Amino acid sequence: QKEVEQNSGPLSVPEGAIASLNCTYSDRGSQSFFWYRQYSGKSPELIMSIYSNGDKEDGRFTAQLNKASQYVSLLIRDSQPSDSATYLCAVNLDFGNEKLTFGTGTRLTIIP
Amino acid sequence: GAVVSQHPSRVICKSGTSVKIECRSLDFQATTMFWYRQFPKQSLMLMATSNEGSKATYEQGVEKDKFLINHASLTLSTLTVTSAHPEDSSFYICSAKRGAETQYFGPGTRLLVL
Repeated sequence: QKEVEQNSGPLSVPEGAIASLNCTYSDRGSQSFFWYRQYSGKSPELIMSIYSNGDKEDGRFTAQLNKASQYVSLLIRDSQPSDSATYLCAVNLDFGNEKLTFGTGTRLTIIP
Repeated sequence: GAVVSQHPSRVICKSGTSVKIECRSLDFQATTMFWYRQFPKQSLMLMATSNEGSKATYEQGVEKDKFLINHASLTLSTLTVTSAHPEDSSFYICSAKRGAETQYFGPGTRLLVL
């Protein structure tokens, strides 16, 4: 059973602090990893993609991947109230498999 | 980023009627489109994968005779919910894939079946 697991939250973080979101996946063959942000009532919006072990930074966002531990995380620095949303972790098995498996999402609230 | 549109954004229909939802990639040709369904407070569940010019591949448990998918061109895929019932009320979201790139999501269609 291929699964992607996230802590559903809610996760509350003070404005300006670092928000840390975590995701584990069950299929060791997974190759591509994505973080999406979903505001209430809206569709998901791509935040980051990561394919190799290590860190990938884009502005205030850093994705971290550890394939040995089957773990991917998203760090949000200098959290803003506009970052309050549900963050979805998505994984696909390999480059030949186009399907994404989504976690249930972590609801993040940034407290002003 | 790539732009994907959906139409309509919201639809209310009577039980037993059929509803068609369109998904368009506006600024690129999509080799593959996906249809998802999301119930309140749940994650996205993939319903089917749609490739231009070929039959859609449905996920286990999704009735292909009830959820008809047509991918007539590289920029348009349609999902028709046939004989809709209240339990089909959900948020339907399409995504489009450009080559080997990741999926770009449409804004979603909220369906309410009375």
